[in-house]
Amino acid sequence: GNSVTQMEGPVTLSEEAFLTINCTYTATGYPSLFWYVQYPGEGLQLLLKATKADDKGSNKGFEATYRKETTSFHLEKGSVQVSDSAVYFCALSGARDSSYKLIFGSGTRLLVRP
Amino acid sequence: NAGVTQTPKFQVLKTGQSMTLQCAQDMNHEYMSWYRQDPGMGLRLIHYSVGAGITDQGEVPNGYNVSRSTTEDFPLRLLSAAPSQTSVYFCASSYTPGQGASSTEAFFGQGTRLTVV
Repeated sequence: GNSVTQMEGPVTLSEEAFLTINCTYTATGYPSLFWYVQYPGEGLQLLLKATKADDKGSNKGFEATYRKETTSFHLEKGSVQVSDSAVYFCALSGARDSSYKLIFGSGTRLLVRP
Repeated sequence: NAGVTQTPKFQVLKTGQSMTLQCAQDMNHEYMSWYRQDPGMGLRLIHYSVGAGITDQGEVPNGYNVSRSTTEDFPLRLLSAAPSQTSVYFCASSYTPGQGASSTEAFFGQGTRLTVV
């Protein structure tokens, strides 16, 4: 079936450190890939997305590239800030047998220390 | 810009009680869905709807009912609450590809934190 696997957290970094959160997926067809972010006490917000192979999504200094050959969509940021502390979810939709359903990974908590 | 509105934000129920979690969106999205969020398990799909009058089961539908009488509203009903239903519930909505929108990004409500004792 369709699924998303993320690295387990928490990930703890110092301010201005480089961030990578790994995400790999299993899906039939050509899904769209997403990163959502959840700040404490809030709902999920779309951070970035990519709809086809080799697309790069970017927003607020975060980037992720849709790699079909490795079925990956790793999230990166060159210099994290304390305000980036949140839970990050990788997700996919549009897999052949899942229509519009968003399928989420388990989430990765990021803690950024001053 | 109301977006997706969920009520209530917090609720405590006794085992066996029933209740309805409300979800409303004002973006004319055809697709609406309910998720539950539990520690270490991400978000799991409970039920979803691709338009008024159409609903279907997700990954974890047992113990929950839904209906979609209008495009705007998608309530989630717990008929007989159990401690295993203690969770944070999120409603989400999006355009479907058939609506011709440039993006099918999902918008989420703020969540309902439910405790069943």
